[in-house]
Amino acid sequence: ETGVTQSPTHLIKTRGQQVTLRCSSQSGHNTVSWYQQALGQGPQFIFQYYREEENGRGNFPPRFSGLQFPNYSSELNVNALELDDSALYLCASSLRDFSTDTQYFGPGTRLTVL
Amino acid sequence: AQTVTQSQPEMSVQEAETVTLSCTYDTSESDYYLFWYKQPPSRQMILVIRQEAYKQQNATENRFSVNFQKAAKSFSLKISDSQLGDAAMYFCPFAMGDKIIFGKGTRLHILP
Repeated sequence: ETGVTQSPTHLIKTRGQQVTLRCSSQSGHNTVSWYQQALGQGPQFIFQYYREEENGRGNFPPRFSGLQFPNYSSELNVNALELDDSALYLCASSLRDFSTDTQYFGPGTRLTVL
Repeated sequence: AQTVTQSQPEMSVQEAETVTLSCTYDTSESDYYLFWYKQPPSRQMILVIRQEAYKQQNATENRFSVNFQKAAKSFSLKISDSQLGDAAMYFCPFAMGDKIIFGKGTRLHILP
């Protein structure tokens, strides 16, 4: 197993609510990336943080936001939840760049929106 | 649009045999990186192999090797001497700059 952890494991919310997902990166990794993986699909890149600054974003609306902290933890926040937000949310950490450095993935948080 | 296509949703291979997973991609960029990631059932996704687009030599990692055809935008993965632990979803994303794009994956079954 990698040193990346995520909490909670599962979560059920209702449409319109807000949710915060958490990730703990491997020690020393300055970059964290978040992905949304719908059932039967590949991961879709949400955004990446490097040293607490957003450093790249996929095609996701502003209601998806994030934070990265100096202690190698990070959060993904989703406001105004929609049914289509139901998915497995993955975080991955790397030293600097997910192109040149290996990404280490967490086990994911399964979010269900009712 | 930049896309990744994995045309084989599922594949099966006998244990100890060789299997090749296909992947094609579309990008107008010249500098990018290609990967194969493995996502075992209920376990974390892990990197199998990485290829830099500027390198002509195909990457290899033990039983795993790639056939990278830049002009054809093709990036297949060959797994030799398949083992039960190779059963997983396999994804072949490519990354350029601050973006990474995944395909839908290929589920590989290993038959004992």
